[in-house]
Amino acid sequence: QLVLTQSPSASASLGASVKLTCTLSSRHGGDAIAWHQHQPEKGPRFLMKVNSDGSHTKGDGIPDRFSGSSSGTERYLTISRVQSDDEADYYCQTWAAGVRWVFGGGTRLTVL
Amino acid sequence: EVQLLESGGGLVQPGGSLRLSCAASGFTFTDHVMTWVRQAPGKGLEWVAGISGGGGSATYADSVKGRFDVSRDNSKNTANLQLHNVRGEDTATYFCVRVSGTVTTFDSWGRGTLVIVSS
Repeated sequence: QLVLTQSPSASASLGASVKLTCTLSSRHGGDAIAWHQHQPEKGPRFLMKVNSDGSHTKGDGIPDRFSGSSSGTERYLTISRVQSDDEADYYCQTWAAGVRWVFGGGTRLTVL
Repeated sequence: EVQLLESGGGLVQPGGSLRLSCAASGFTFTDHVMTWVRQAPGKGLEWVAGISGGGGSATYADSVKGRFDVSRDNSKNTANLQLHNVRGEDTATYFCVRVSGTVTTFDSWGRGTLVIVSS
């Protein structure tokens, strides 16, 4: 069964860096995932697609402060020079035949 | 610029029906699978339904299969989600979402429309 696991919460100080993790179930460990940002009172926004080799493709207008990487079954979203506007829920998402599209439970990022 | 604008949300009684629409612009509509994703209050994102670019193939999450119908009108660049026999757990903000050309990734989102199921 395809499962994406995320920590429920994370925090970072203004100007610092933070790395969010999305773990794929082992059978799907080679899959790519997408990261989405959901700020309060807004529609979610596609940030990037992260492949198993760590390469990533960002959405239009996504700042360089956002980057992706991979290691094994883990996919990462790193936010550098954290700003107050980065306070949001971050979801990873992927696709698999049969189950179609799946989301992780989301990580709420608090900016301190 | 890709734009997705949902409409049709509102208050509906348990067991009732509601039709959501999504007006798309800024891209070649038929080139993309379109999906609906929802977020219940205090919960995470949940994929609900998807429809192929030509409209001939639809797929649903188990939680809504047999109760929701997804469709599209490619002449009007609109995607629709018909909700039937709604339940309290269908209360959520419903987002219209474009799927990328690779089919695996959601790459554009609408702002959402709120559906409240209550008597």
